Amino acid sequence: DIVMTQSPDSLAVSLGERATINCKSSQSVFRTSNNKNDLVWYQQKPGQPPKLLIYWASTRESGVPDRFSGSGSGTDFTLTISSLQADDVAVYYCQQYYATPLTFGGGTKVEIK
Amino acid sequence: EVQLVESGGGLVKPGGSLSLSCAASGFAFNYAWMSWVRQAPGKGLEWVGRIKTKTAGGTSEYAAPVKGRFTISRDDSKNTLYLQMNSLKTDDTAVYYCATYRLATGTGDLQFWGQGTLVTVSS
Repeated sequence: DIVMTQSPDSLAVSLGERATINCKSSQSVFRTSNNKNDLVWYQQKPGQPPKLLIYWASTRESGVPDRFSGSGSGTDFTLTISSLQADDVAVYYCQQYYATPLTFGGGTKVEIK
Repeated sequence: EVQLVESGGGLVKPGGSLSLSCAASGFAFNYAWMSWVRQAPGKGLEWVGRIKTKTAGGTSEYAAPVKGRFTISRDDSKNTLYLQMNSLKTDDTAVYYCATYRLATGTGDLQFWGQGTLVTVSS
């Protein structure tokens, strides 16, 4: 199984400041057939299901604000919130879909400082 | 609008069985690969398994902790996904979500999610 490791477990950021979350996979999730990384980011607010934010490591889902961006390739990935808003308080998960079983990172809780 | 509505959760004793349903609407269900994901109270997300479309063979695949105990099935005529859970353990206590693979590509980025149904396994 591909192990996904997120860091940090939690972070507190001031409103308007940048938040950066890291995700590392135990093996490459780069798919040579389409030159894309099979890595997705979700946002989960309390009492709600996860919401897909970014897929193929860097493609924003329709309707997701452009302050959310994804980067990285191979085994190392980053989710950046460029200017944290109060509505961004949530837990963020990465997940690989290169192979089954699909596997998730442990989550990063983002709070307001 | 895509909607996924899970039902069937509840309290069950260890060793018991439970069947969950996920009613889908707003998209071509028969063309969608579907998945179940669970989340234990206060914990992270765990993939339970998935089922392919009939045209792709209709086969299911499961995570190791549930293999041999859980069965995923689908009824395309009813636009409904099922999860049959047998030999339940206390570790199976979780909110169970159904989710679609990405509808346009069939890739495993889970595009739409239901609100979830809580399964509690306790004596």
